[in-house]
Amino acid sequence: AQKVTQAQTEISVVEKEDVTLDCVYETRDTTYYLFWYKQPPSGELVFLIRRNSFDEQNEISGRYSWNFQKSTSSFNFTITASQVVDSAVYFCALSNNNNAGNMLTFGGGTRLMVKP
Amino acid sequence: DAMVIQNPRYQVTQFGKPVTLSCSQTLNHNVMYWYQQKSSQAPKLLFHYYDKDFNNEADTPDNFQSRRPNTSFCFLDIRSPGLGDAAMYLCATSREIGSRRGEQFFGPGTRLTVL
Repeated sequence: AQKVTQAQTEISVVEKEDVTLDCVYETRDTTYYLFWYKQPPSGELVFLIRRNSFDEQNEISGRYSWNFQKSTSSFNFTITASQVVDSAVYFCALSNNNNAGNMLTFGGGTRLMVKP
Repeated sequence: DAMVIQNPRYQVTQFGKPVTLSCSQTLNHNVMYWYQQKSSQAPKLLFHYYDKDFNNEADTPDNFQSRRPNTSFCFLDIRSPGLGDAAMYLCATSREIGSRRGEQFFGPGTRLTVL
């Protein structure tokens, strides 16, 4: 069985602070994919990143960066110099390689509130 | 722009009155999904279509049905909505690319209210 845990249910920061959202996953598969999605108040889930299990390189995209560590089964997400527009619920998700579709197992989500 | 469209964005129905939510996509993706998301919870997969093959999640109530008449459209039918069915319903699509697994692209969702 697969499981994704986002231990932080809510985080509140002041604008320009850095913030890290934690994600820990469980899977028995050797090949799998990890994702982060952003859900702003409008409701749409916005894809941020996909990482496959064979690629442990960290990635940076503007103010966003991701730290994937297989040894600790973690895929953490850092926002540098946070902005009010970053306020949203962020979901970490896991998908395996064993099905025709792309079944996602979501974590419970972390609500990020960035105050001016 | 290629996208996933859901109509309507807000739907109000009465207890027990059938309701249909619609989703269309211009991405030409093979797979379409329906999720239910209740307040402060993660999206929960109800079912998905891989082309014309329908795949129901084991715990999806019989009250929920789906139709996919063609590649572009997929419908969610709730036969007899109960108060507990009030939620955001999200449609998503994905394309399988060889051995890679593509990400899912989500629509804006339909928020269903049951009176």
